[in-house]
Amino acid sequence: EDQVTQSPEALRLQEGESSSLNCSYTVSGLRGLFWYRQDPGKGPEFLFTLYSAGEEKEKERLKATLTKKESFLHITAPKPEDSATYLCAVQAAGTGFQKLVFGTGTRLLVSP
Amino acid sequence: DTEVTQTPKHLVMGMTNKKSLKCEQHMGHRAMYWYKQKAKKPPELMFVYSYEKLSINESVPSRFSPECPNSSLLNLHLHALQPEDSALYLCASSQERTVLSPREQYFGPGTRLTVT
Repeated sequence: EDQVTQSPEALRLQEGESSSLNCSYTVSGLRGLFWYRQDPGKGPEFLFTLYSAGEEKEKERLKATLTKKESFLHITAPKPEDSATYLCAVQAAGTGFQKLVFGTGTRLLVSP
Repeated sequence: DTEVTQTPKHLVMGMTNKKSLKCEQHMGHRAMYWYKQKAKKPPELMFVYSYEKLSINESVPSRFSPECPNSSLLNLHLHALQPEDSALYLCASSQERTVLSPREQYFGPGTRLTVT
């Protein structure tokens, strides 16, 4: 069974304090790994797609990386507006190409 | 433009009511999705439409009835819901994927549904 595990469940940072969120996956035939940001009561906002091990993507203070077993979302010098829940999801051959398997998310709080 | 719109933003309905949720996208996407999300949980897939045909039904109770009138619109008809159906209902769309090129899904803002 395809599984996605995110850690930590919650993370509290001071403004400017860099850190990383982890997404570990066990899937049969990874086709793509996606990172989303979700603010309370709103829909997930697409951030990145990663397809293969070694790939990296960057956007402002965020950088996503991928290995054969996990993905990291690095947050450099975060600001309070980066506070949100970050969701990782995979698309795998085992679960079909139209399904996303989501992790349970990391709730990030950045204090000024 | 990567916008998916949903109406209404909030909906309160009784267990005997019939209501509908609407979703629209103008990105030319041919796959559209309905998700249900409970508080502090990830989205759960309910239905997938591909080229306006239902391709996936995740064993959703028949009190939820999806409809895809055309490639830009997706509806979710609700009837005789239970209080436990209260949740955030999300619509998403994506380009149709291929084996080699999975596609990201773009989500709408959601409809907050409360069943009383």
